[in-house]
Order: sequence, then structure tokens, then C-alpha cells
Amino acid sequence: AQSVTQPDIHITVSEGASLELRCNYSYGATPYLFWYVQSPGQGLQLLLKYFSGDTLVQGIKGFEAEFKRSQSSFNLRKPSVHWSDAAEYFCAVGARDTGRRALTFGSGTRLQVQP
Amino acid sequence: IAGITQAPTSQILAAGRRMTLRCTQDMRHNAMYWYRQDLGLGLRLIHYSNTAGTTGKGEVPDGYSVSRANTDDFPLTLASAVPSQTSVYFCASSDGDRTDTQYFGPGTRLTVL
Repeated sequence: AQSVTQPDIHITVSEGASLELRCNYSYGATPYLFWYVQSPGQGLQLLLKYFSGDTLVQGIKGFEAEFKRSQSSFNLRKPSVHWSDAAEYFCAVGARDTGRRALTFGSGTRLQVQP
Repeated sequence: IAGITQAPTSQILAAGRRMTLRCTQDMRHNAMYWYRQDLGLGLRLIHYSNTAGTTGKGEVPDGYSVSRANTDDFPLTLASAVPSQTSVYFCASSDGDRTDTQYFGPGTRLTVL
């Protein structure tokens, strides 16, 4: 079974600073990988996804993520954080070879942005 | 296009009562899912449906049931609610493309007293 680890529960950065949120996964083959963002009281919005091909994936709101097979990682990055990026971020892995087709989520990283 | 709607937005429920959370999508997606979100645990899959007429158990199915009579609707029923079912519940759907990207509803906040 697949699993996802987000080692940072909470991160605080200053507005304009760069950001990297860590995500490590466990899966026997090449997975589908996703990053979602959840603003307070809201549902989850897809930021980006990796399926195959280029390991650097561009998403919405200026985010990108890099799939590193050797490290089983899919870290999310943004070069300059805006106050509106304050939210909770979830990494998720999807299995290619199961009938269930559901996602396994990490426990989330809460991002706080200081002015 | 509304996407996915969930009802109610929030609910306070007495333990032992029966409750159905509603989920409707207008994207004609084949697959639908129910997750619960608890602090520090992320989202955990309760039940899923790959297509109308079929359902399956997820990671935490006990105490919950689902049905999928048609493509658009996927209700989640708590037959006899318990306080440990206090959570935020999210419905999602996917169109079965190569990555099965899931799209989420706004959630239902349920409190069982």
C-alpha cells in the first residue's frame, strides 16, 4: 500500500521569501503525485500533478514541484510567497494499478506567511 | 458549472441519530469518493464508487454506508452516529483520465454530541 509523509506540520515564511514544502512517498512503482491546497473553511484545490514525462511540474499560482524518483520525493516550491498563499497544503499519491483509484494523502503542512 | 455540491454545510447531531450527507456532481464523472478530514491525519478514504451501481470500502468504512444509484449522486449515511464521527467530510469525483485527478466539494462539518 502507498503512503505519504509530510514531515513539516507547520511552516512560517516571510512574504516575498522562497518556499519549499516537503513530501515523501512510498509506492512500489511510479505513482501519480498531486499537491492540493486548502484555504480555511474551504475544500481542496488542485495545485499541480505529476503523471509522467518532465519531472519538473508547473502548477497554478506560481507553484512548481519536482519528482525525484531516487529520493521518493515530490517537493513543492514557490520562489516568492504572497500573503494569500497562507493555507494548508496536502501532498497525495495515487496508485496506477489498483481498482480503487483513490488518493492517499499526507497529514498536511500549514503555511503561515508573515508580513 | 457548479462542480461538486455538498449538503448540509454543517450539522450538529445527537449520538445515535441517523444522518445522510449529500453529494452531487454535474461533471459526469464516473468515480466518486468520500473522505473524512481530521486534524493531523489528513484525509482518509471512507468509501468510493468507480461507476454508478458499484461501491467499495476505503480505509475507514466502519459506521458508514454509501449508495450510487446514478452518476451524479453519492450519499453517505451514518446509520447511528457516534462522537468519533465528528469530522469534516469531503466528497470528490474523478473523470477516469490517465491520472484520475480528483476534484473536491466544499465539505460538510459534522459534530456528533
